[in-house]
Amino acid sequence: DAGVIQSPRHEVTEMGQEVTLRCKPISGHNSLFWYRQTMMRGLELLIYFNNNVPIDDSGMPEDRFSAKMPNASFSTLKIQPSEPRDSAVYFCASSPRGSNYGYTFGSGTRLTVV
Amino acid sequence: GQQVMQIPQYQHVQEGEDFTTYCNSSTTLSNIQWYKQRPGGHPVFLIQLVKSGEVKKQKRLTFQFGEAKKNSSLHITATQTTDVGTYFCAGPHAGGTSYGKLTFGQGTILTVHP
Repeated sequence: DAGVIQSPRHEVTEMGQEVTLRCKPISGHNSLFWYRQTMMRGLELLIYFNNNVPIDDSGMPEDRFSAKMPNASFSTLKIQPSEPRDSAVYFCASSPRGSNYGYTFGSGTRLTVV
Repeated sequence: GQQVMQIPQYQHVQEGEDFTTYCNSSTTLSNIQWYKQRPGGHPVFLIQLVKSGEVKKQKRLTFQFGEAKKNSSLHITATQTTDVGTYFCAGPHAGGTSYGKLTFGQGTILTVHP
């Protein structure tokens, strides 16, 4: 099993540009989670999906952030326009079924907005 | 809202010393999970505890779930330099369904001096 695959691994962009982060969950996992990690705030849940449906997006910072899961094998997190305070490591994770099973995290995307 | 607190925030030990991190939840948990994140890496699932008073071991690591299912601990015997990293506990969000989300503690950063 290839695990959870995220791309790109690193992204450097200028303020105001659109950024798209991608995630391929483990096949057969029904739940997908997007997290952001910073030194100051730790691991923050942004949004999660069950069976491709967004369940809770209360962690999405503001309207500049959006996430989609068009099918069971692909999800995107988009930031438009990006700001320097969005700089962080963004992790995607999947699990067979919500919080009753351990999450498998991807390697993350380190985003730097200058 | 639900909080999952971990102490200590940092722990520095000499190689060979023992290490313990504690996790406390403001609500009763259906399960508690532990993750390890190496420096520059992503969180990796270690174990899940479900039963009140449960104790599980993985080589030098011992995990406990409190009788009231509101606290947990991770103990490492005779630390090695390979144990370096951040240890997170996580519990299902209060009031959530089995499809719900995990709330992560802030983590304990462990450094081991050779």
